[in-house]
Amino acid sequence: NAGVTQTPKFQVLKTGQSMTLQCAQDMNHEYMSWYRQDPGMGLRLIHYSVGAGITDQGEVPNGYNVSRSTTEDFPLRLLSAAPSQTSVYFCASSWTGGSYEQYFGPGTRLTVT
Amino acid sequence: KNEVEQSPQNLTAQEGEFITINCSYSVGISALHWLQQHPGGGIVSLFMLSSGKKKHGRLIATINIQEKHSSLHITASHPRDSAVYICAVRSGTSGSRLTFGEGTQLTVNP
Repeated sequence: NAGVTQTPKFQVLKTGQSMTLQCAQDMNHEYMSWYRQDPGMGLRLIHYSVGAGITDQGEVPNGYNVSRSTTEDFPLRLLSAAPSQTSVYFCASSWTGGSYEQYFGPGTRLTVT
Repeated sequence: KNEVEQSPQNLTAQEGEFITINCSYSVGISALHWLQQHPGGGIVSLFMLSSGKKKHGRLIATINIQEKHSSLHITASHPRDSAVYICAVRSGTSGSRLTFGEGTQLTVNP
């Protein structure tokens, strides 16, 4: 099993550009989530999904969109990048959320100039 | 005040020392996680617990539900234990979501 994979590992964007961060898992997990990690702050939830076709907002959803057309994939779209979105982004998956072991992807380091 | 507070924020130890990292939370929870973030950035799950104590190798995690407190202990610490240790909770009202502490940076010197 590859576990949770994320692409790209690094990305530099200009303000106003859009892009999609990819996340995939091969463990048939129902629950998938996106977090951002900023210095001095804990991981913060952006969006999450409890199954294919079902998504919901987390703590910091503004400026991001998600979709979940398959169990395996959960892409995160930045609609119009802003410097405040410079961060490290982690995708995670688990069976049904917070009461099960969490599996994290390797992260994407995004810089918006 | 954050829902999840970790202490200390930074911890430096000598190889072989016994280490304790603390996590306090302010809400009722159904599960608590301890995670390890390596210097390269990857995050791995160490423990998930809802009561009592769990042990894996040199790592021990305990939780006191009444006191809303958990501890992560490392016995016979080693430089390879140097990492950020993160506490996260699933509260009773947050559905599937987790709330994270800011992490504890541990450095173990040889």
